[in-house]
Amino acid sequence: DIVMTQTPLSLSVTPGQPASISCMSSQSLLHSDGKTYFYWYLQKPGQSPQLLLYEVSNRFSGVPDRFSGSGSGTDFTLKISRVEAEDVGVYYCMQSIQLPRTFGQGTKLEIK
Amino acid sequence: EVQLVESGGGLVQPGGSLRLSCAASGFTFSSSNMNWVRQAPGKGLEWVSYISPGSSTIYYADSVKGRFTISRDNAKNSLYLQMNSLRDEDTAVYYCARGREQGYWGQGTLVTVSS
Repeated sequence: DIVMTQTPLSLSVTPGQPASISCMSSQSLLHSDGKTYFYWYLQKPGQSPQLLLYEVSNRFSGVPDRFSGSGSGTDFTLKISRVEAEDVGVYYCMQSIQLPRTFGQGTKLEIK
Repeated sequence: EVQLVESGGGLVQPGGSLRLSCAASGFTFSSSNMNWVRQAPGKGLEWVSYISPGSSTIYYADSVKGRFTISRDNAKNSLYLQMNSLRDEDTAVYYCARGREQGYWGQGTLVTVSS
């Protein structure tokens, strides 16, 4: 199984400041079809997870452009250009290049 | 609007069974891969099972293999998870999620395994 490792596991950010979360996979997520099957999700308090970014850097419908993703192969980064109060919650990375799908441990973002 | 609505959760004793359902609407269910994902209280997300559109490909996490069975009824736009031989560690909120990207999730249904 592919292991997904997130860092940090928690961070506290002042509104308006940037934030960054990293995720490493134990195997390359680059498929032979040219796509990289890597995703970021946000689970806000009391809610279901919601997809933020798919295939590394593509924002899902309705996701603000302050969220961006980068990376390739096994190393990926989620960046929030200016954190807002509504961004609090737990961020997860996930791979879907192979089954079983695997998630990172989650990174809890709090507002200072 | 895409909607996924889970049901069937509840309190069950260890060794018991439950059948979860997920009613889908707002998209072509019969063309969509579907997944079950769970979240134990205070814990992270754990993928549980996958089923292809025509049910030809099915996959389970090792933690549930041999005890859980995923199925679907494309005529009824519904996804199911039959859970047998339930254990304390199966206590979780169970979500259904659509597609390889798991872009849409239901609100979840809570399964509590306890004596």
